[in-house]
Amino acid sequence: SQQGEEDPQALSIQEGENATMNCSYKTSINNLQWYRQNSGRGLVHLILIRSNEREKHSGRLRVTLDTSKKSSSLLITASRAADTASYFCATGDDQTGANNLFFGTGTRLTVIP
Amino acid sequence: NAGVTQTPKFRVLKTGQSMTLLCAQDMNHEYMYWYRQDPGMGLRLIHYSVGEGTTAKGEVPDGYNVSRLKKQNFLLGLESAAPSQTSVYFCASTSGPRNYGYTFGSGTRLTVV
Repeated sequence: SQQGEEDPQALSIQEGENATMNCSYKTSINNLQWYRQNSGRGLVHLILIRSNEREKHSGRLRVTLDTSKKSSSLLITASRAADTASYFCATGDDQTGANNLFFGTGTRLTVIP
Repeated sequence: NAGVTQTPKFRVLKTGQSMTLLCAQDMNHEYMYWYRQDPGMGLRLIHYSVGEGTTAKGEVPDGYNVSRLKKQNFLLGLESAAPSQTSVYFCASTSGPRNYGYTFGSGTRLTVV
């Protein structure tokens, strides 16, 4: 399987704390992306980091990528109750040129007010 | 701007029945995808299309067919539904071959009894 794996599977924190989620993958990639999914909804694109980048920021999000270890992390700073959702990493296909994304199984984040 | 619209949102089928799920996007995206999401499995790619009139198989294509007769529409068909096809189906689209995020629809929850 080309799917990534997120760690931990579930994370519960207090509002205001930082949340860190990790993703490991198996194949060579063009890019790695993170998505958020609120319960019963579709996925929303958060951030994309290219294979030649090591770190990227967007608002309260910070993503790192280590291609030598085939791993990435997503940091959400100063978490809010509204951040409660599942977070998925997805790796961009490096084989077909079709921009296929392969998703991990997700981290369920709960932010307690 | 509606983005990606999926119809229907919910459906219950009996084993052996057929149905078509419709995905429509108004962003002039070239690339479109169908995924299924099952508990503990993340999202798995069923079929995809890199342009009008083209389709290709993803990770789990068996039991499904697709068509992309118009650029804005991507249809997913189940010819003879099976209980194993009970899932949430997501359509997504993107504009480029690499390094672009996906826009997802809100999903179709299908139950096969």
